Amino acid sequence: EVQLVESGGDLVQPGGSLTISCSASGFTFILHAMYWVRQPPGKGLEYVSAISGNGDDTYYADSVKGRVTISRDNSQNMLYLQMSSLRPEDTAVYYCVRDQNTYGYWGHDAFDIWGQGTMVTVSS
Amino acid sequence: QSVLTQPPSASGTPGQRVTISCSGTNSNIGTNYVYWYQQLPGAAPKLLIFGNNRRPSGVPDRFSGSKSGTSASLAISGLRSEDEADYYCAAWDDSVSGRAVFGGGTQLTVL
Repeated sequence: EVQLVESGGDLVQPGGSLTISCSASGFTFILHAMYWVRQPPGKGLEYVSAISGNGDDTYYADSVKGRVTISRDNSQNMLYLQMSSLRPEDTAVYYCVRDQNTYGYWGHDAFDIWGQGTMVTVSS
Repeated sequence: QSVLTQPPSASGTPGQRVTISCSGTNSNIGTNYVYWYQQLPGAAPKLLIFGNNRRPSGVPDRFSGSKSGTSASLAISGLRSEDEADYYCAAWDDSVSGRAVFGGGTQLTVL
């Protein structure tokens, strides 16, 4: 079964740091670009970050650029998002998402598999 | 402020046909595929439509998508109570490599 399972969400103080993780199973991880999409409580979806299948290329939304780093370990089928200088507006459920195609790059296909999400709360 | 524009809410009665619109620009919907995601209450989003009008296996043919120019629509026919959910449109945006954009979401109520 194709599955994405996030972990690591927590309550963090403003200005703090946190790394969230996503464990992938049931598919050839390296063949797929991967993404983080977040959803603040009661609000819509926001595209946060992307990484190519081999990990060479990354993208960050302006709202998080310079504060987050996306990475992957293809030997362990893991996706990560390191977050620093966290702000209250970063409070959200963070979803790990797979790209539909097997080219290992973004820009052409849908987000076909979503994890259940992990909650990050930034508050004092 | 979302890049793609959707109505915040829509409603219909069981059996009815409802449509949800999604408006964008030349750099996103105008030149790229449109995708639709369904988010049931308390659940993660799920891919509903890809490639403007294609359905993943398991999605009922009551759901259909269309695109014209810089706008797209999701139609749900034979509305059922279990269709009550939030619906999001999305597309890739050519203004920046790697940038995807979402609509603000439409909350569908089945009366």
